[in-house]
Amino acid sequence: GDSVTQMEGPVTLSEEAFLTINCTYTATGYPSLFWYVQYPGEGLQLLLKATKADDKGSNKGFEATYRKETTSFHLEKGSVQVSDSAVYFCALSDSPNAGNNRKLIWGLGTSLAVNP
Amino acid sequence: GAVVSQHPSWVICKSGTSVKIECRSLDFQATTMFWYRQFPKQSLMLMATSNEGSKATYEQGVEKDKFLINHASLTLSTLTVTSAHPEDSSFYICSARLTPVNIQYFGAGTRLSVL
Repeated sequence: GDSVTQMEGPVTLSEEAFLTINCTYTATGYPSLFWYVQYPGEGLQLLLKATKADDKGSNKGFEATYRKETTSFHLEKGSVQVSDSAVYFCALSDSPNAGNNRKLIWGLGTSLAVNP
Repeated sequence: GAVVSQHPSWVICKSGTSVKIECRSLDFQATTMFWYRQFPKQSLMLMATSNEGSKATYEQGVEKDKFLINHASLTLSTLTVTSAHPEDSSFYICSARLTPVNIQYFGAGTRLSVL
């Protein structure tokens, strides 16, 4: 079945460092790919998405490119801030053939701590 | 836009009582809503998919009689934890799917503590 593999954390960086969180997937068909962020004590927020190969999602300085050839959707940010400290989840949406019950398949999450 | 409200944000209850959690899509209609459970420092576990006007689809291992889901309107789904026990203590999160873009928007979650 479909699956998402995300790099294990925690990741600890200094402010203004470069961030990469790796995410790879296995899927039949043509999934959509997402990054969600969960700040401490809060629910999940959609950070960015890509719906087809070579699409680049971007938001708040974060970027991720849908790479079909490497089945990857790595999250990057050029200069992290303390306020970026959160848990980041990579997810894919399964096949359109699932109809109304299309689910999100989740990675295990990567905790990021940014120190001043 | 695409705001999902979840209520309550935190509830403490005695063992054996039932707790209802509401999930509302405030500015869009959602045919499909999802209920998740999240354990500390772990990923989300999908419990069930809630479709407006029909019975919910439960994931394997989730007791449908324990976790009652009702999706009576296009903007409201409820999860009732019946006869709650301490092992039901967890963080419960709902989401509503915005179509046709197929994006799930999440509520802020409900922390349930069963004493």
